[in-house]
Amino acid sequence: GAVVSQHPSWVICKSGTSVKIECRSLDFQATTMFWYRQFPKQSLMLMATSNEGSKATYEQGVEKDKFLINHASLTLSTLTVTSAHPEDSSFYICSAPNSVFGFFGQGTRLTVV
Amino acid sequence: SQQGEEDPQALSIQEGENATMNCSYKTSINNLQWYRQNSGRGLVHLILIRSNEREKHSGRLRVTLDTSKKSSSLLITASRAADTASYFCATAPYPSGSARQLTFGSGTQLTVLP
Repeated sequence: GAVVSQHPSWVICKSGTSVKIECRSLDFQATTMFWYRQFPKQSLMLMATSNEGSKATYEQGVEKDKFLINHASLTLSTLTVTSAHPEDSSFYICSAPNSVFGFFGQGTRLTVV
Repeated sequence: SQQGEEDPQALSIQEGENATMNCSYKTSINNLQWYRQNSGRGLVHLILIRSNEREKHSGRLRVTLDTSKKSSSLLITASRAADTASYFCATAPYPSGSARQLTFGSGTQLTVLP
């Protein structure tokens, strides 16, 4: 099956700094990728849709200036959490779908201290 | 917003027993999918059932779908300790069925005790 690689798996950063998370589709081209956020013991909440070569589409309530998304190539999307604060601590997961279901990255555990 | 509600939220069983998880949804769907998530990891697609199907099998997995009740169940037979994970249902909307519009349920945490 298709493989989606997400990096890093975990990151600890100081409050006020920015963190970049990468999502790569390793064996197929993904014109669209999705970024989700997951709080402990909860489901996935779609944050934004990353579109190759164009602007990302953000879900209601998600700050686009806070969560910068870049999809510069057909195999790479990045999510940058800018000026991170402790409340941004969460598990972030990317997905690159085929036409029917999603292939997910391993997730990134972000802890802001 | 979450379309799917799953129950139970948590389920603990002995190895060898069967585990049943349920998912309810609200809107019309093209298909319903089940995913598994090991702790601190991404999701893995398990099985997909289309709206015109009532039951589907894959190995030890059995999925049913009742569109009149807007509900689905996932049965794992002869469970193993390695089945311990969170299980999520996800619905793809009607008519597109696009994975780009998957909506996830709240998940069931399954613990299989050795």
